[in-house]
Amino acid sequence: NAGVTQTPKFQVLKTGQSMTLQCAQDMNHEYMSWYRQDPGMGLRLIHYSVGAGITDQGEVPNGYNVSRSTTEDFPLRLLSAAPSQTSVYFCASSSRLVFNEQFFGPGTRLTVL
Amino acid sequence: KNEVEQSPQNLTAQEGEFITINCSYSVGISALHWLQQHPGGGIVSLFMLSSGKKKHGRLIATINIQEKHSSLHITASHPRDSAVYICAVLAGGTSYGKLTFGQGTILTVHP
Repeated sequence: NAGVTQTPKFQVLKTGQSMTLQCAQDMNHEYMSWYRQDPGMGLRLIHYSVGAGITDQGEVPNGYNVSRSTTEDFPLRLLSAAPSQTSVYFCASSSRLVFNEQFFGPGTRLTVL
Repeated sequence: KNEVEQSPQNLTAQEGEFITINCSYSVGISALHWLQQHPGGGIVSLFMLSSGKKKHGRLIATINIQEKHSSLHITASHPRDSAVYICAVLAGGTSYGKLTFGQGTILTVHP
């Protein structure tokens, strides 16, 4: 199993540009989440999904969209990038069957100029 | 005040020392996670606790639900243990992996 994969690993955007961070898992997990990690702030939940077709907002959802058309994929879209979105982004997945053990992707480091 | 507080924020040790990292939380929880993040690397789950104590190799995690406190211990520390250790809680009644994280403890172990 590849586990949780994320692409790209690094990205530089200009203010106002849009892009999609990709996340995929091959463990047939129902639950998937997007977090951002900023210095001194810890990890914060952006959006999450409890299954295909079901998404909801987390703690810091503004400026981001998600969709979950399949169990495997959970892309995160930045609609109009802002410097405040400079961060490291982690995707995570977990199964209902194994009491919420979280599996994290390797992260995407995003810089918005 | 953050819902999840870790101490210390930074910890430096000599190889072989016994290390303790603490985590206190202010909400009722159904589970607590300890995670490890190496510099420039991803995040790995070390333990998931809902009560008592768990041991894996040189790592031991304990939790006291009544006191809302958990500790992560590393015995015979080694430079490869140098990493950020993160405590995260799953709020009570939450049915999926929606975690609240502490800010992390930066551990440096010198040879």
